[in-house]
Amino acid sequence: KAGVTQTPRYLIKTRGQQVTLSCSPISGHRSVSWYQQTPGQGLQFLFEYFSETQRNKGNFPGRFSGRQFSNSRSEMNVSTLELGDSALYLCASSLGQASDTQYFGPGTRLTVL
Amino acid sequence: AQKITQTQPGMFVQEKEAVTLDCTYDTSDPSYGLFWYKQPSSGEMIFLIYQGSYDQQNATEGRYSLNFQKARKSANLVISASQLGDSAMYFCAMREANTGGFKTIFGAGTRLFVKA
Repeated sequence: KAGVTQTPRYLIKTRGQQVTLSCSPISGHRSVSWYQQTPGQGLQFLFEYFSETQRNKGNFPGRFSGRQFSNSRSEMNVSTLELGDSALYLCASSLGQASDTQYFGPGTRLTVL
Repeated sequence: AQKITQTQPGMFVQEKEAVTLDCTYDTSDPSYGLFWYKQPSSGEMIFLIYQGSYDQQNATEGRYSLNFQKARKSANLVISASQLGDSAMYFCAMREANTGGFKTIFGAGTRLFVKA
């Protein structure tokens, strides 16, 4: 089975721009979660989608949004980028229950200049 | 509030020896899952082992075992026979139900250095 894929792997943007990140889950997985990883804050939960519905959301401003398509692929959007948004963005997929293992993609490293 | 604590920012271990990475958690939910992940310098998170809150036995996966002490709310990872390739960041995580979905929170991580 193919693993979780994320595109692009690297991005450089400037303040004020917006960015869209993509995540393709493992085939059959209906849950996709997004995380932001920074040296200062560690790994923080952004949101989780299941069957095209946002099931849960972390404590991030409204500039961070996402969606999930019928094929379970998910996109994450960050508008009006700030320097502090520079981070590794990881997505993880699972079957969707608490005991199901989340498998992570390689991440997208976003740098905001 | 949910919380995961990893008190060891860095650990050193000699190759072929065993090492224990500590993790304590706090939750009021009786149903939860505990996970350990490894993150090499490449950045990808690699799943190592899972323990459910209702599991009676400690989980094991090859050289990895989870020392689950529910009353103490601890879920320590034990790596036996350390290898140089085990050098990485290790994260403890807890997943529980939250507002109709599930939420996973991670500890700050422990950086493990394996010495030859």
